[in-house]
Amino acid sequence: DIVMTQTPLSLPVTPGEPASISCRSSQSLVSRTDGSTYLDWYVQKPGQSPQLLIYTLSYRASAVPDRFSGSGSDTDFTLKISRVEAEDAGVYYCMQRLDYPITFGQGTRLEIK
Amino acid sequence: QITLKESGPTVLKPTQTLTLTCSFSGFSLRSSEVGVGWFRQPPGKALEWLTLIYGDDGRRYSPSLRSRGTITKDTSRNQVVLTVTNMDPKDTATYYCVYRRPGSGWIQRYFQHWGQGALVTVSS
Repeated sequence: DIVMTQTPLSLPVTPGEPASISCRSSQSLVSRTDGSTYLDWYVQKPGQSPQLLIYTLSYRASAVPDRFSGSGSDTDFTLKISRVEAEDAGVYYCMQRLDYPITFGQGTRLEIK
Repeated sequence: QITLKESGPTVLKPTQTLTLTCSFSGFSLRSSEVGVGWFRQPPGKALEWLTLIYGDDGRRYSPSLRSRGTITKDTSRNQVVLTVTNMDPKDTATYYCVYRRPGSGWIQRYFQHWGQGALVTVSS
């Protein structure tokens, strides 16, 4: 199985400040078939189901604000929020879907100071 | 508009069988490119993928189900059913069904819409 490791596990951020979450995979997430990187990011806000933020490394999902961006390569990935807003509080997960079983990181709790 | 909703028992005793139904609308589960998956989340813990079924009846399972789980679909009723035998307290979790969208390539075949989740507690 591909192991996903996120850091930090907890991230307090002041509104208006940037935030960055790291995700590392135990093997490359680059597809040998098409060269795409199958790494997605989700956020789970309190009491809600997970919502897709970023798919295939860097594509923003529909209606996701452009302050969210995904980047990285091979085994190291980053989710960045350029300016955190109060509504961004929640737990952020990276997920790989390159190979089965699909696996998630442990989650990073973003807390608004 | 795509919606999914999970239904089933909220409490089970150890060794009992869980049967969860995902009722969906807004898409058809007939194409090989469309899928519905099940995920779960133990209280306070991370998300875990369990299984996925495609419109052509192809299926994938997580090793963590250890042959206890089965996913099936009823296309005429727009439902997907997850069955897990020999339930254990460690299986206590919120179970989600999720729509895996089709796309022109795997780039766009991501998990797009999640149900609200169903909390299942396993306790004697």
